[in-house]
This record gives sequence, structure tokens and C-alpha cells, in this order.
Amino acid sequence: EAQVTQNPRYLITVTGKKLTVTCSQNMNHEYMSWYRQDPGLGLRQIYYSMNVEVTDKGDVPEGYKVSRKEKRNFPLILESPSHNPTSLYFCASSLGARVNEQYFGPGTRLTVT
Amino acid sequence: AQKITQTQPGMFVQEKEAVTLDCTYDTSDQSYGLFWYKQPSSGEMIFLIYQGSYDEQNATEGRYSLNFQKARKSANLVISASQLGDSAMYFCAMRGPSGGYQKVTFGTGTKLQVIP
Repeated sequence: EAQVTQNPRYLITVTGKKLTVTCSQNMNHEYMSWYRQDPGLGLRQIYYSMNVEVTDKGDVPEGYKVSRKEKRNFPLILESPSHNPTSLYFCASSLGARVNEQYFGPGTRLTVT
Repeated sequence: AQKITQTQPGMFVQEKEAVTLDCTYDTSDQSYGLFWYKQPSSGEMIFLIYQGSYDEQNATEGRYSLNFQKARKSANLVISASQLGDSAMYFCAMRGPSGGYQKVTFGTGTKLQVIP
């Protein structure tokens, strides 16, 4: 089954603790992207990747790192999470940047205490 | 810079009626793409429909149609014959060359509730 998977799905952590959210797709897609969703703000793009070893910043990259060592994986590192209301993180992929449809992962709900 | 505006934070519609969700956008590009996504209460993002800026016909996908008015920079989503399962958040999004096609901008969403 074609899909984008994210792990973990739910995460409770403490302020300042570095953590990684994994993202993997099995569709051989070149383009992958991370978004965060906060109440009332819609989705905002954190980082994206056009292909292996090619990444660039979205609109809200501060406090995050990414890497793309393999085509299928695009992990998101939160370097020092600060206390915030619960945020939802989505990974998405598509065949290329200009392809109409992005396939979204199920989301990771993060709470920082 | 690209910008998407959804001015309706919440809407109600009677089951079986049609509903229009508004979306306006701001861009100086001639080439861009507009999308609508649905997010049910379970949280996943579901792609609904796409409209390219050079597409002359309005996009349609089943009960969803996109009312594209380029001069007014609007891309409203029309859902015909609403069903209870249409209750969800709906997001309008855009990608275009000035942000790079790899950059995607979302609106803040409209929460639609379908009343039996």
C-alpha cells in the first residue's frame, strides 16, 4: 500500500529535550516536506527536500533540522523544543515539486511540558 | 510572497444542500497551483482538488468543484449535496514559482459542520 508513515504518532516531552520524528514513504517520491499545524494558524512549511541531499527552509525553520540521506526517509529533528500548546506535525511527499497532489502522513501530535 | 486568505472560520450547512467555502490568494506569479484539502476530526489531511492557473475549465472531482476566478484571485470550493461526513476543516493552499514550486502556503482553514 502506497503510504507515508510517521513515528511516533504521539509524543510528550519536556522543554529543551532534543527529539526526532521519522518520516518514510514507499512511493519513490523525490519531493518531501514537513509542516506544523497550530490552532488558528493552518499549516506552515518547516523544511522541504527536492531529492537526496537537497533540502531547504520553508517558512518556519527555526529550531528544526532535517536530513535526506535516502530517498524514502526525511527525519525532522527538534533541537530544543519550547513550551507550546500541542502542535501537530505532518510529513508529506509527492513525485516532484510541481506534481498536483501531496500525500500526507498521519501526523505526529507533540506536547511539550 | 504568496498569501492565502480564508475569511470564514466556521460554517454550517444543512445536509443535502450545497456550500461554498471561500479562498482568496495573493501572488504576482502567472503560473501557480491551487489546492483544497480536507482534515476530519481524526486529523489526517485528504487531498480534494487541484486547479492550475492556466487551466481554462474549473476543476471538478465528484461532489467537489473549484470556482476559479483568476481576475479576482479567488478559488472557492463548492461542495454539492452535503453529507454528514463532510463535517471537517477545509484548507486552501497554493504553490507557485516565486516561492518555488517546492514551497506550499496554506490558509488558516474553515470548519464546516453539516447539520442533519
